[in-house]
Amino acid sequence: GENVEQHPSTLSVQEGDSAVIKCTYSDSASNYFPWYKQELGKRPQLIIDIRSNVGEKKDQRIAVTLNKTAKHFSLHITETQPEDSAVYFCAPGSARQLTFGSGTQLTVLP
Amino acid sequence: NAGVMQNPRHLVRRRGQEARLRCSPMKGHSHVYWYRQLPEEGLKFMVYLQKENIIDESGMPKERFSAEFPKEGPSILRIQQVVRGDSAAYFCASSPFEGTDTQYFGPGTRLTVL
Repeated sequence: GENVEQHPSTLSVQEGDSAVIKCTYSDSASNYFPWYKQELGKRPQLIIDIRSNVGEKKDQRIAVTLNKTAKHFSLHITETQPEDSAVYFCAPGSARQLTFGSGTQLTVLP
Repeated sequence: NAGVMQNPRHLVRRRGQEARLRCSPMKGHSHVYWYRQLPEEGLKFMVYLQKENIIDESGMPKERFSAEFPKEGPSILRIQQVVRGDSAAYFCASSPFEGTDTQYFGPGTRLTVL
């Protein structure tokens, strides 16, 4: 099965700074690499995803980079805002199932 | 276009009772996934269903848990004889067709076992 590790488990940044969260996985068959944002008591919301034939994808302040050889992918948030505060999960997998990381609590300090 | 719907949002059961959790996928979606989230943990895959078929149940506990997705109506996750350790948030997600990897999550059902 897939083993997923996510680092760091907590991250505090000043508003306007950048945040980077890294996810490593073990299953070379994984071909889909999403990041979800979950606010307290809410559903996970897909914020960005990337597939194995692409190395980088950007959507405004959010970007994801993938290194399939090293089996890791990272979430980059630039110009952070207080509303970015939440728990972020990586969830590598395929159309059959996703394996979620343990989460990163991001706190953006005003 | 309504998103994934789940009900009830909160469910309280006493030990030994049955819990039934419902999930209606997004319109046009025929694939449903169930995940369980314990407090301060990530989501754990339980089961993947298509209409009238269980495709992957590798994450389901062997006893007391079952899932179905009938031809008509919502998907049901059923937990028999609940125990305190079943207390968790249960999320379902849906995707439109086979081979599609993007999953959209419902609001979850928070089960509390007294």
